Amino acid sequence: KQEVTQIPAALSVPEGENLVLNCSFTDSAIYNLQWFRQDPGKGLTSLLLIQSSQREQTSGRLNASLDKSSGRSTLYIAASQPGDSATYLCACPSGTGGYNKLIFGAGTRLAVHP
Amino acid sequence: AAGVIQSPRHLIKEKRETATLKCYPIPRHDTVYWYQQGPGQDPQFLISFYEKMQSDKGSIPDRFSAQQFSDYHSELNMSSLELGDSALYFCASSLGTGDGYEQYFGPGTRLTVT
Repeated sequence: KQEVTQIPAALSVPEGENLVLNCSFTDSAIYNLQWFRQDPGKGLTSLLLIQSSQREQTSGRLNASLDKSSGRSTLYIAASQPGDSATYLCACPSGTGGYNKLIFGAGTRLAVHP
Repeated sequence: AAGVIQSPRHLIKEKRETATLKCYPIPRHDTVYWYQQGPGQDPQFLISFYEKMQSDKGSIPDRFSAQQFSDYHSELNMSSLELGDSALYFCASSLGTGDGYEQYFGPGTRLTVT
């Protein structure tokens, strides 16, 4: 049974810092892994999708890496800004099929202060 | 680009009432998923449909039912509502071939049961 864990649970940093958010999963036979952003009371915004055959994906100041063998993914945020403040969730399908339900981590609540 | 549409966006019901949530997936997507996110929790999978057939079922109460129609829109029906049903309900859709099964989420329906 897939379990997803994220650390830290919360993070507060000054503007401009580079950040690393961690995600670990118990079943390494994943099809892909998605990183989401969620503002309070709002929907889920997909940030990056990494296929199992990929090592990393980049979008602007965001870079996500995937190491299936160790069951880990990291989300790197460069030059953080107050607008990055949100909860960041990682999720992966429950089995080897990409069409399976997503299992979410509890998220990392990020606060970037000016 | 077209996104997943959910309606209504907000819904207030009293205990023991019935609610119907609607989801319109991205055109050509063949799989629809429903998730429930309680206050301060990560999203939990409820049910999914592939080509209008139920494909997976999570911890969905017997009071809840769902279906996918011929036009691919889906409805989540919730009866005998309880206070604990108050949550954000997300619908997501995906397309397997050519898109890596990335799940695209709608903005959610916030259900408040009083």
